[in-house]
Amino acid sequence: GAVVSQHPSRVICKSGTSVKIECRSLDFQATTMFWYRQFPKQSLMLMATSNEGSKATYEQGVEKDKFLINHASLTLSTLTVTSAHPEDSSFYICSAQLAGEGETQYFGPGTRLLVL
Amino acid sequence: RKEVEQDPGPFNVPEGATVAFNCTYSNSASQSFFWYRQDCRKEPKLLMSVYSSGNEDGRFTAQLNRASQYISLLIRDSKLSDSATYLCVVLTPFSGSARQLTFGSGTQLTVLP
Repeated sequence: GAVVSQHPSRVICKSGTSVKIECRSLDFQATTMFWYRQFPKQSLMLMATSNEGSKATYEQGVEKDKFLINHASLTLSTLTVTSAHPEDSSFYICSAQLAGEGETQYFGPGTRLLVL
Repeated sequence: RKEVEQDPGPFNVPEGATVAFNCTYSNSASQSFFWYRQDCRKEPKLLMSVYSSGNEDGRFTAQLNRASQYISLLIRDSKLSDSATYLCVVLTPFSGSARQLTFGSGTQLTVLP
């Protein structure tokens, strides 16, 4: 099946710093990538939909200036958490949609962010 | 009301038991339905799609009732390796022609030896 990678898998940072998370589709081109966040014992919540070459579409309540998304190529999307605070600590998961395969989304392994 | 609701559990069952999970969704325009499995601290993985006629994959059987907006997953002869959180996932219209996956909060299953 299609493989999606994320980097880093785990990051610990100080409050106020920015953290960049990369999501790559390794063996296919993804016109659309999705960024989710999951707090402990809660559901995955969609943060934004990222389309290659255009601006991301953010879900209600997600600050676009705080969570910067760049989808510069068909295999790479990045999420930058700017001025991170402890409440941003979460499990961030990306997924990529394979063009021509309908709605199938392939999930990355996730990035665990801890802001001290 | 949550868009996708599941009993959070936990369900603790002995090996070999049959266990059933239920899920309801609120958006009648939902178009596709899935069960995902998520192991602790890992990403979700697609277990199976759910079709209106019901479908089976080995020990797993999924059912969909569109009139009641209800989805179920039955696991027979449960194994230790089935221990995970099971997520009910619904594909719903988003805006325009876009659609998005909406996840339930998951039902935790522990299969005991």
